[in-house]
Amino acid sequence: AQSVTQPDIHITVSEGASLELRCNYSYGATPYLFWYVQSPGQGLQLLLKYFSGDTLVQGIKGFEAEFKRSQSSFNLRKPSVHWSDAAEYFCAVGATGTASKLTFGTGTRLQVTL
Amino acid sequence: EAQVTQNPRYLITVTGKKLTVTCSQNMNHEYMSWYRQDPGLGLRQIYYSMNVEVTDKGDVPEGYKVSRKEKRNFPLILESPSPNQTSLYFCASSTRDRGGYGYTFGSGTRLTVV
Repeated sequence: AQSVTQPDIHITVSEGASLELRCNYSYGATPYLFWYVQSPGQGLQLLLKYFSGDTLVQGIKGFEAEFKRSQSSFNLRKPSVHWSDAAEYFCAVGATGTASKLTFGTGTRLQVTL
Repeated sequence: EAQVTQNPRYLITVTGKKLTVTCSQNMNHEYMSWYRQDPGLGLRQIYYSMNVEVTDKGDVPEGYKVSRKEKRNFPLILESPSPNQTSLYFCASSTRDRGGYGYTFGSGTRLTVV
């Protein structure tokens, strides 16, 4: 069975600082990997996704993520954080062949200080 | 506008009173899914559907039922709600096409069972 671990429950960064949110997955083959963002009181919005090919994936809002098979990781990065990035971020893994079953991590809440 | 629509947004009910949360998508997506979100637990999949009349259990299906009689609709049924089903529920849909894979989420239904 697939699983996702987001080791950081809560992270605080200053506006303008760089950001890295960690995600580790467990799956026997090459997974489908996703990052979603949830603003307070809102649904989830897809930031970026990885299927295959280039391991560095660009997403919306200036985010990027890098797939590292050797480390079973898919960390999310942003070079310069804006106050509007404060939200909860979820990493998710989907199994190849059963694309409808998407497993989420427990989320990382990002706080941005001015 | 392409979207997943859930109703109602908020619902307070009493233990044992059957309820249905509706979900509809206008994107002709094959895959649909229900998740519940609880603090510290992230999103957990309740049921998913790969197409009309094809449904399967997710990670936490107990106490829930679904049906997929039409491609656009995927209602969630709680036949005898209990307080431990108090949660935030999300419906999501996705195309099965590889390039578009990744769920689009509705705005959520906050359910309180007293």
